[in-house]
Amino acid sequence: EVQLVESGGGLVQPGGSLRLSCAASGFIFSSSWMSWVRQAPGKGLEWVANIKQDGSDKYYVDSVKGRFTISRDNAKDSLHLQMNSLRAEDTAVYYCVRGGTNFAHWGQGALVTVSS
Amino acid sequence: QSALTQPPSASGSPGQSVTISCAGTSSDIGGYNYVSWYQQHPGKAPKLMIYEVNKRPSGVPDRFSGSKSGNTASLTVSGLQAEDEADYYCSSFAGSDNRVFGGGTKLTVL
Repeated sequence: EVQLVESGGGLVQPGGSLRLSCAASGFIFSSSWMSWVRQAPGKGLEWVANIKQDGSDKYYVDSVKGRFTISRDNAKDSLHLQMNSLRAEDTAVYYCVRGGTNFAHWGQGALVTVSS
Repeated sequence: QSALTQPPSASGSPGQSVTISCAGTSSDIGGYNYVSWYQQHPGKAPKLMIYEVNKRPSGVPDRFSGSKSGNTASLTVSGLQAEDEADYYCSSFAGSDNRVFGGGTKLTVL
């Protein structure tokens, strides 16, 4: 059974940083594109970033370019999202997702709240 | 990186069929056969229902079907059941560096 478990969410002040992690199991992690998708409270889904199997290609939505960094550790079956210079509009549930285009499996999400 | 356009709401009675549209452009839906649909119940994570326009993952009932014509994709739910009441989102590949979602449609089973 595919499992994706996010951690690292919480409350952070504007301008602060946070690092999300995702522990993957139940599939061959090193063979899968991985993504982060977020959902602001009461709003729709927004693709944030994705990363190729070997980490050689990474892509981001315009609003987070230069502030967020996606990375992976295939030896530890883990995905990460380093978030810097956080803004109030980054407040959302962040989902770890298996897939780069077809988002096949989703974690339960980690809530990130940016507020003073 | 504009979002795809979905109607905010849709509804149908049990047993009926309902179709949800998802409008894009030639840069996303119209340019690729990588449209997917997701079901999200309140407080839950989204679930993949349709991928690559009209393919169903294992375990998804065949009451769910997808199609595409030009720049618009559609999700049809046939034989509506109470448990189909949820939010539905479409998504499309929009180039190697971009993925876009629709704003979501709240499906109500009357």
